[in-house]
Amino acid sequence: GAGVSQSPSNKVTEKGKDVELRCDPISGHTALYWYRQSLGQGLEFLIYFQGNSAPDKSGLPSDRFSAERTGGSVSTLTIQRTQQEDSAVYLCASSFDGTWEETQYFGPGTRLLVL
Amino acid sequence: AQSVTQLDSHVSVSEGTPVLLRCNYSSSYSPSLFWYVQHPNKGLQLLLKYTSAATLVKGINGFEAEFKKSETSFHLTKPSAHMSDAAEYFCVVSHPGVFGNEKLTFGTGTRLTIIP
Repeated sequence: GAGVSQSPSNKVTEKGKDVELRCDPISGHTALYWYRQSLGQGLEFLIYFQGNSAPDKSGLPSDRFSAERTGGSVSTLTIQRTQQEDSAVYLCASSFDGTWEETQYFGPGTRLLVL
Repeated sequence: AQSVTQLDSHVSVSEGTPVLLRCNYSSSYSPSLFWYVQHPNKGLQLLLKYTSAATLVKGINGFEAEFKKSETSFHLTKPSAHMSDAAEYFCVVSHPGVFGNEKLTFGTGTRLTIIP
């Protein structure tokens, strides 16, 4: 596609429910990143994919958070048993091959609200 | 360790006047630096990027930034503000992760308001 797309654009859920957020990167980009943007914490790195593998998961805040990528393309970020502190904008980015100095292109984000 | 400090959380300028958004960085490496802009309810858009070539970097929409190693600064400027420039601006430093991937450290952002 022309750019990185994410769905849904907004998600409201109840505390304790599971949610899935989807990211569709730019075609041909092997690297994919998830970030979280929240009021108190700014922009935080969550996880990095190279192809279908996730060598860097160092930013995932707890074991309730997981992500997968299939076919070297679409990625899904899953949050289990959501908590109110999970409320944030979740941003996805992709880059050509993930190497240092590569430009990351960001999607519009999914705004998650946990009630 | 890498860090980015955006010195102003909020900047207001009148339309047609110059814009200055300040950024200082700390990096263990020869840094790559970026400025991204985020309009309300939109994703981050790359404005410009410095990767050890020319120290004065020109970006989109008339923005430019100058890398000053001695001052560890990468301030963003624009000669004449336009109403459409109202947005949140993020200064970002890039460094290699343990796995060779790119890791970005973001500043806390500067909200730019344009006064008609």
